[in-house]
Amino acid sequence: AQKITQTQPGMFVQEKEAVTLDCTYDTSDQSYGLFWYKQPSSGEMIFLIYQGSYDEQNATEGRYSLNFQKARKSANLVISASQLGDSAMYFCAERHSGAGSYQLTFGKGTKLSVIP
Amino acid sequence: DGGITQSPKYLFRKEGQNVTLSCEQNLNHDAMYWYRQDPGQGLRLIYYSQIVNDFQKGDIAEGYSVSREKKESFPLTVTSAQKNPTAFYLCASSIVSGAEQFFGPGTRLTVL
Repeated sequence: AQKITQTQPGMFVQEKEAVTLDCTYDTSDQSYGLFWYKQPSSGEMIFLIYQGSYDEQNATEGRYSLNFQKARKSANLVISASQLGDSAMYFCAERHSGAGSYQLTFGKGTKLSVIP
Repeated sequence: DGGITQSPKYLFRKEGQNVTLSCEQNLNHDAMYWYRQDPGQGLRLIYYSQIVNDFQKGDIAEGYSVSREKKESFPLTVTSAQKNPTAFYLCASSIVSGAEQFFGPGTRLTVL
């Protein structure tokens, strides 16, 4: 079974600083995808960034970038220039195939708090 | 505005009653999903549907049922067989299975 590990239950970062949220995954699939979602206190999950297992370059979306190290099976999220609105839960998820479809397995999340 | 709606936002039910959670999307997505989230936990997949009139069990389907009679709608019924139904329920959709998933605002179900 797929397993996603987020080892940091909580993180603090100073406003305007960069922060890295860790994610490791355990899969034997050759083709897979990695997603990061943000969940504010309102509860809705917001898609941030995606990395495919065959993508040679790290994905970037605005202030978000994904540090993809395939051999180490890690897909860390880097948020640059943190803002107060970045305070939220962050979830890493892996897309894997099974029974003719694709599914996501989520980690337990990291709670990020941005300090003014 | 395109998106996913879930209603109601908060739902209270007595133990032993079935309850149906609504999920509607106007994104023209083929695939839809139901997840359960417990405090301090990630999301766990309950059921998913790749196309109309088809659905499959996820990791924690026991005590739940779904239907997919229309492309836009994927209601979830929490039955009395679900031993611990109090949780936050999130519905999602994607253009096809495997693409990025878009989520609704969620329904917080409390069983008294």
